[in-house]
Amino acid sequence: NAGVTQTPKFQVLKTGQSMTLQCAQDMNHEYMSWYRQDPGMGLRLIHYSVGAGITDQGEVPNGYNVSRSTTEDFPLRLLSAAPSQTSVYFCASSDPGRWNTEAFFGQGTRLTVV
Amino acid sequence: SQQGEEDPQALSIQEGENATMNCSYKTSINNLQWYRQNSGRGLVHLILIRSNEREKHSGRLRVTLDTSKKSSSLLITASRAADTASYFCATDSNDYKLSFGAGTTVTVRA
Repeated sequence: NAGVTQTPKFQVLKTGQSMTLQCAQDMNHEYMSWYRQDPGMGLRLIHYSVGAGITDQGEVPNGYNVSRSTTEDFPLRLLSAAPSQTSVYFCASSDPGRWNTEAFFGQGTRLTVV
Repeated sequence: SQQGEEDPQALSIQEGENATMNCSYKTSINNLQWYRQNSGRGLVHLILIRSNEREKHSGRLRVTLDTSKKSSSLLITASRAADTASYFCATDSNDYKLSFGAGTTVTVRA
């Protein structure tokens, strides 16, 4: 059981380049989300999805796109990378009910934009 | 904006001692969760406490929740070197979106 898998683990981009961060989960979770983690700021929600075909914005969505064509996959696209997007990105999935929203996290993608 | 705030930001203790960290939040919640992050790794879920619960235990972990003060505490008893990590509280405010605090970095000295 792989859980949540993120690729790549590390990436260096030049300003203006685009790329897609991949996230896949094998737990049949409906809820998936993307966070970015910056020093001293904890995790901030970028985008989330409550099921295939449904996505919505989180706290810091600007500069990022997402899609959810399948339950398993939730890719995050950087449209035109900027140095401010240098961060560690985490994908998470969960199976929320009324009382249980324990999230499972991937190992992260460390992105540097130069 | 972030819902939770942990205190202290950093904590250094001797192996075998207890570690206590606190989390305060702003709005009403469904539940509050604590996560651990080892350096360079993803977050791992530790424990979830529901809004109608006041205390919960899991192994060496004890979590309390005071909804009247909008605060929670995480106690790690008999700490070990392997407990060295960052600890985050996260709140779920009835919309399934978790809101994280900035974390407490715990260092356990041998």
